[in-house]
Amino acid sequence: EAEVAQSPRYKITEKSQAVAFWCDPISGHATLYWYRQILGQGLELLVQFQDESVVDDSQLPKDRFSAERLKGVDSTLKIQPAELGDSAMYLCASSLRRSRDQETQYFGPGTRLLVL
Amino acid sequence: AQTVTQSQPEMSVQEAETVTLSCTYDTSESDYYLFWYKQPPSRQMILVIRQEAYKQQNATENRFSVNFQKAAKSFSLKISDSQLGDAAMYFCAYRRESNTDKLIFGTGTRLQVFP
Repeated sequence: EAEVAQSPRYKITEKSQAVAFWCDPISGHATLYWYRQILGQGLELLVQFQDESVVDDSQLPKDRFSAERLKGVDSTLKIQPAELGDSAMYLCASSLRRSRDQETQYFGPGTRLLVL
Repeated sequence: AQTVTQSQPEMSVQEAETVTLSCTYDTSESDYYLFWYKQPPSRQMILVIRQEAYKQQNATENRFSVNFQKAAKSFSLKISDSQLGDAAMYFCAYRRESNTDKLIFGTGTRLQVFP
């Protein structure tokens, strides 16, 4: 069964350093999401792509976070500079989203970030 | 704005017993989707069950079923014949009917299953 791939699985970095996370959605999935999950809290959407276009980045801290999906397939989320409060699990999800019945989101294993 | 509330941070159940996890939501929309996702420890989040708001019949997936009360804006998950592998964080999520809208998640309920 096809899965969403993410790397790295774990990342430890120091404050003010740059980090990048990669996500490869399920083949053919037009919509890609990046979520942040802070321990003990729910998931917060950071950015949503439809193909290569950003459709929602209202919760993305744009002064330090950036995301791209240049060819409408895989995606990279970057943080520069990292801050202590960025320690969290970063989850990528994808969905077909071309019709009413194709809106289920499938999640990757996540990247756990620890900022020291 | 839409919100999702899970008022039970933790629940526990004996193996083979039944447990119900609560979820309420707030929306002014009439057409939307509701989901329950399961996140096992150190494993990825997977979809357990989904419900379309326009369907009156409650969704069922094997041992998992929902009690969808649209007027009350309630969407509880019932797990029957609980198994040790059901231990996980369970998240309730909402999405309105739209080409671009996002999932809105509750804060989760941690379910422990005791032998």
